[in-house]
Amino acid sequence: EIVLTQSPEFQSVTPKEKVTITCRASQSIGTSLHWYQQKPDQSPKLLIKYASQSISGVPSRFSGSGSGTDFTLTINSLEAEDAAAYYCHQSNGVPTFGGGTKVEIK
Amino acid sequence: EVHLVESGGGLVQPGRSLRLSCTASGFIFGDYAVSWFRQAPGKGLEWVGFIRSKAYGGTTENAASVKGRFTISRDDSKSIAYLQMNSLKIEDTAVYYCTIGGYSNSADYWGQGTLVTVSS
Repeated sequence: EIVLTQSPEFQSVTPKEKVTITCRASQSIGTSLHWYQQKPDQSPKLLIKYASQSISGVPSRFSGSGSGTDFTLTINSLEAEDAAAYYCHQSNGVPTFGGGTKVEIK
Repeated sequence: EVHLVESGGGLVQPGRSLRLSCTASGFIFGDYAVSWFRQAPGKGLEWVGFIRSKAYGGTTENAASVKGRFTISRDDSKSIAYLQMNSLKIEDTAVYYCTIGGYSNSADYWGQGTLVTVSS
């Protein structure tokens, strides 16, 4: 099983700040890495697919990068509505998720 | 617009069975694979299983934690996928989500989830 290690687990950020979340895979997964946002009491929502592909309707301040074992989700100029948990997910074999990063607005 | 609605959750005793449904609309259901994921209270996301479209054999894959207990099926004529859960354990307590994709690709669309509580 491929283990995804996300960091940090928690981040408290002021609006307009830049947020960087990392996801490290226990073995190379190419670009089969996807990012989701989950707000309280809601289902997850796809933000970025295949490491860096943008999703229609997702604000452009969300971007992804990386390949192999190291991946990054970046939120440029954080907005209050971005308070949520963020998860990475790999689809190279049996699907697994990172442990999540909770982003709080200061 | 793609819409997925899970139903069938509830309170069930350990060892009993429950069947969840995922009703789809807004797209040609039969053309797509469907996955099930779950999220225990206050915890992260876990893949449960997956069913391919009929074009790819309609075969299924299950997570090791539910293999032999959970079965996924689909009725394309009704645009519904099912998750049959047998021999339920307390640790199966979670919100269960169905998605389009999610096994060998991204989970592009998610339902709102249905809560399954396994308790005596």
